[in-house]
Amino acid sequence: EPEVTQTPSHQVTQMGQEVILRCVPISNHLYFYWYRQILGQKVEFLVSFYNNEISEKSEIFDDQFSVERPDGSNFTLKIRSTKLEDSAMYFCASSEIAGGTNEQFFGPGTRLTVL
Amino acid sequence: RKEVEQDPGPFNVPEGATVAFNCTYSNSASQSFFWYRQDCRKEPKLLMSVYSSGNEDGRFTAQLNRASQYISLLIRDSKLSDSATYLCVVRETGGYNKLIFGAGTRLAVHP
Repeated sequence: EPEVTQTPSHQVTQMGQEVILRCVPISNHLYFYWYRQILGQKVEFLVSFYNNEISEKSEIFDDQFSVERPDGSNFTLKIRSTKLEDSAMYFCASSEIAGGTNEQFFGPGTRLTVL
Repeated sequence: RKEVEQDPGPFNVPEGATVAFNCTYSNSASQSFFWYRQDCRKEPKLLMSVYSSGNEDGRFTAQLNRASQYISLLIRDSKLSDSATYLCVVRETGGYNKLIFGAGTRLAVHP
């Protein structure tokens, strides 16, 4: 069964450093997302991406964040200058189409720890 | 008011029990509704979509009341493997597909 993959599974970084989290969505999917989950809290939407541009972003997704689809398979989330409060699990998701009861498939996540 | 509210639990039930989870959402324009399951430190996985007429998938039954902005999930004949956190999830009309998650209700099924 096709699945979303993410690397690395765990990233430890120093405050102020840049990190890039990588995702490979399911191959025929057209819509891509990043969510995050701070330990013990709910899953929060960060950004959605379609047709090589951001279609929606949340208040969390400030100028420190960016997304890119550098090639036909990868989808990346970059945090330019990490803060302690960026420590969380970051989930990538993809879907074939938008809207309705269309399912978003989640990757296993990258645990980001900012020291 | 939180967008999606759930009782955090935990619900501790014996195997074979029936357990019900409730959820309310604040935006009456919400379009689609789901229950996701999340195991500890894992990704959310879709359990079932929730339709206006209610729907059933094996031991799981979901109900939606749009007038009350209320969603429920009923699990019959609980198994040990049902132990997880159950996330109530809403997609709003006009949104570009973003999902809004509740904080989840934790279920622990014991022998």
